[in-house]
Amino acid sequence: GAGVSQSPRYKVAKRGQDVALRCDPISGHVSLFWYQQALGQGPEFLTYFQNEAQLDKSGLPSDRFFAERPEGSVSTLKIQRTQQEDSAVYLCASSLGSKSYGYTFGSGTRLTVV
Amino acid sequence: QKEVEQDPGPLSVPEGAIVSLNCTYSNSAFQYFMWYRQYSRKGPELLMYTYSSGNKEDGRFTAQVDKSSKYISLFIRDSQPSDSATYLCAMTRNSGNTPLVFGKGTRLSVIA
Repeated sequence: GAGVSQSPRYKVAKRGQDVALRCDPISGHVSLFWYQQALGQGPEFLTYFQNEAQLDKSGLPSDRFFAERPEGSVSTLKIQRTQQEDSAVYLCASSLGSKSYGYTFGSGTRLTVV
Repeated sequence: QKEVEQDPGPLSVPEGAIVSLNCTYSNSAFQYFMWYRQYSRKGPELLMYTYSSGNKEDGRFTAQVDKSSKYISLFIRDSQPSDSATYLCAMTRNSGNTPLVFGKGTRLSVIA
């Protein structure tokens, strides 16, 4: 596609519910990042994939957060047993090469936990 | 103290004004500096990218990096209402796919 596509755009989850957020990167982009952006804050790094390999997951806040990219294209961020502090916009970014400035961000999924 | 500090504003200026946005940082290992623009309910989009110290100009936008002071700036000349957005500074240690560290963003409104 022309850009990074994320779905759903909005998700409301009851506390304790599991959610799955999807990212479709730009075709051919090998690098994929997930960031979390709380209200009024800048994005914070969660995890990084190069193709299907998860090379860095140091930003995942707890073991309730899990990400995968099994075929090196679409990625899913899963949050188990959601808590109110998980409410944020989850941004996906992809990059063709290895330069840190070459990311294209999606519009994000806004997760609200009630 | 966060690694990257940025005044969240909001900042309101009249159309045509020169806008100055800035960030300070504490990690001397940062070498690559970026400015992103984020419209409401959209993802960040890259505006400017600078390596190490110096200036870079692109149209109405100028980015400056002063590594000795750990201070970076973005200047917008002849500001337009369409420049109204949140501006995020970001930085990283190297050009490989290391995570970006963002400031919290400055919300700018340009009034016609």
